[in-house]
Order: sequence, then structure tokens, then C-alpha cells
Amino acid sequence: AQKVTQAQTEISVVEKEDVTLDCVYETRDTTYYLFWYKQPPSGELVFLIRRNSFDEQNEISGRYSWNFQKSTSSFNFTITASQVVDSAVYFCALSKGTDSWGKLQFGAGTQVVVTP
Amino acid sequence: DGGITQSPKYLFRKEGQNVTLSCEQNLNHDAMYWYRQDPGQGLRLIYYSQIVNDFQKGDIAEGYSVSREKKESFPLTVTSAQKNPTAFYLCASSPSDRRDSPLHFGNGTRLTVT
Repeated sequence: AQKVTQAQTEISVVEKEDVTLDCVYETRDTTYYLFWYKQPPSGELVFLIRRNSFDEQNEISGRYSWNFQKSTSSFNFTITASQVVDSAVYFCALSKGTDSWGKLQFGAGTQVVVTP
Repeated sequence: DGGITQSPKYLFRKEGQNVTLSCEQNLNHDAMYWYRQDPGQGLRLIYYSQIVNDFQKGDIAEGYSVSREKKESFPLTVTSAQKNPTAFYLCASSPSDRRDSPLHFGNGTRLTVT
């Protein structure tokens, strides 16, 4: 069975601090995709990044960076120099099944609170 | 601009009543999905549809029903058989021919049943 664990329920930081969100996954599939989504207070989930299981390169996009380590089944997300607008719930998700690409296994989410 | 529209944003119903949540997309996506979000539990898949007139059960389909008569629309009915219907419901879509294509989500409908 597939599983995604986000052990951190809530992280509180002061603006400009860095924050790292952990994501650990379990799957028996050899090919799979990992995603990160952001859910601001408005409720809509916003896509941030996807990674396929064959690409272990780390990625940086502005203040966001991702560290994918297949050996430890982890796909961690770091926000550098956090801002108040980063306050949101962040979800890690794993693709499951081959009949529909939208079937995702989500983690429970990590609430990030950035205070000025 | 293309996107997914869910209505209404808030919905209140009495126990024992069926209620239908609307989801419309103008992204020309083939696939559509319904997810349920509960506090501290992430999102769980209720139903999904890859083409018109076809849909499949997700992980928690009991007490729910859907239809897909048009490509743009994928309404979800929460029936009286759903034992704990109060939740936040999110509709999503994606092009079904791209495995790595991310889901596009609507703003959600918060359903409260008393």
C-alpha cells in the first residue's frame, strides 16, 4: 500500500527564517511521481512541483527548493527567507495506480505559520 | 482565464437530505476528480472520471454519487447514506494523457450537515 507521511503538523517561524517541511513516502511502484501543493487560506490547492522517481536532481525555484532522496524515500521542501505570504498548509502527494494519473495519495499536510 | 469553478462556497444541510455540489471546468481537461478534506487527514479521493459518461470509485465512494454527462461538468451528490458528510470538498481536473500533469483544483465547497 502507498503511504505519505508528513510528520510535522505545524511549523511556526518568524519572517526571514528558513523552514523545511519533511515528506516520507512508501510505495512498491518502480515508477512514480511526487508532488508538493500549497493550500492558502482561500482553500484552493496550488501546484508547486512534481518529481518522477528517476530524477533525483534537487531543484530550486526562487525561495523554494526541494531535496529528493530515493534511498531514504524522502522528498523534503525548504522555503528560504520565509515571508508572511508563505503561511499556508503544504501537502506532499504520491501518484498511485496506472489507470488514472490524478489518483494521488496525500500526506496529512503541514501548516506553516510565518509571523512578521 | 481557464479554471475550475465550484459552487457554492458554503453549503448547509439538514441530516437526511441529499445535496449536490457543482464543479465546472473550462480547461478542456478530460479527467476530473473529487477529493474530500478533513482536518489533519489530508485529501482522500471520492470519485474520478477520465472521459464523459464514465467514472470510477475512489477510496471513499460510499454515500456519494457522481455523473459526467458533459466534459465540463462533474457534479457530486452527497447522499443521506454518507455517515459523516461534513467536510471540505475539492474538485480537480487534469489532461488524462499526461501522467506527470499536475491536478488543477477549484476553490472548494465547505459542507456542513446538522
